[in-house]
Amino acid sequence: DQQVKQNSPSLSVQEGRISILNCDYTNSMFDYFLWYKKYPAEGPTFLISISSIKDKNEDGRFTVFLNKSAKHLSLHIVPSQPGDSAVYFCAASENDKIIFGKGTRLHILP
Amino acid sequence: DAGVTQSPTHPIKTRGQQVTLRCSPKSGHDTVSWYQQALGQGPQFIFQYYEEEERQRGNFPDRFSGHQFPNYSSELNVNALLLGDSALYLCASSWGGSNQPQHFGDGTRLSIL
Repeated sequence: DQQVKQNSPSLSVQEGRISILNCDYTNSMFDYFLWYKKYPAEGPTFLISISSIKDKNEDGRFTVFLNKSAKHLSLHIVPSQPGDSAVYFCAASENDKIIFGKGTRLHILP
Repeated sequence: DAGVTQSPTHPIKTRGQQVTLRCSPKSGHDTVSWYQQALGQGPQFIFQYYEEEERQRGNFPDRFSGHQFPNYSSELNVNALLLGDSALYLCASSWGGSNQPQHFGDGTRLSIL
């Protein structure tokens, strides 16, 4: 039973446009949400996080939105750049235990 | 400033054997978590060590055990290896609990023949 779901295995976006990656969760006890980016043969790299008491957090080109009533969060990347091509993992935390989604592979097209 | 380092890189074992994976956390970090990532899946939490004790554990059998040393480095031991244990094993370090963003190593790819 997946508590964190990323329903899109892959996404292709034109360079310069906005990339939107989505994530749904089922456990209302999650209190912290994170996005990680992973290149091949490397470990995941932390991108951005959001506490459950907020609905938006922004860091440069990356913005995470949290909709608690819908149990949904999204990561917006604008403008998208070639180096953004990677696998993105959504993760959620409850009591120091982090649950990851399966990831979405983002392709930035030239 | 060294990040998280893991060894060995790619051990190859046979069914029934035992393996020990090692992790050195990022400088200044005192908490180590271990994850298993199967092909096409996200990382799955195995357990977390803090102050040399196991604080949290995911849904993994007792064949998976660990240890944390006084210098905060950690080992993951897997006994009686099964074919299904073939995966990428990731170590992540943080400070004071996993809600601090974790820094991941590049992983150990374990192959079981």
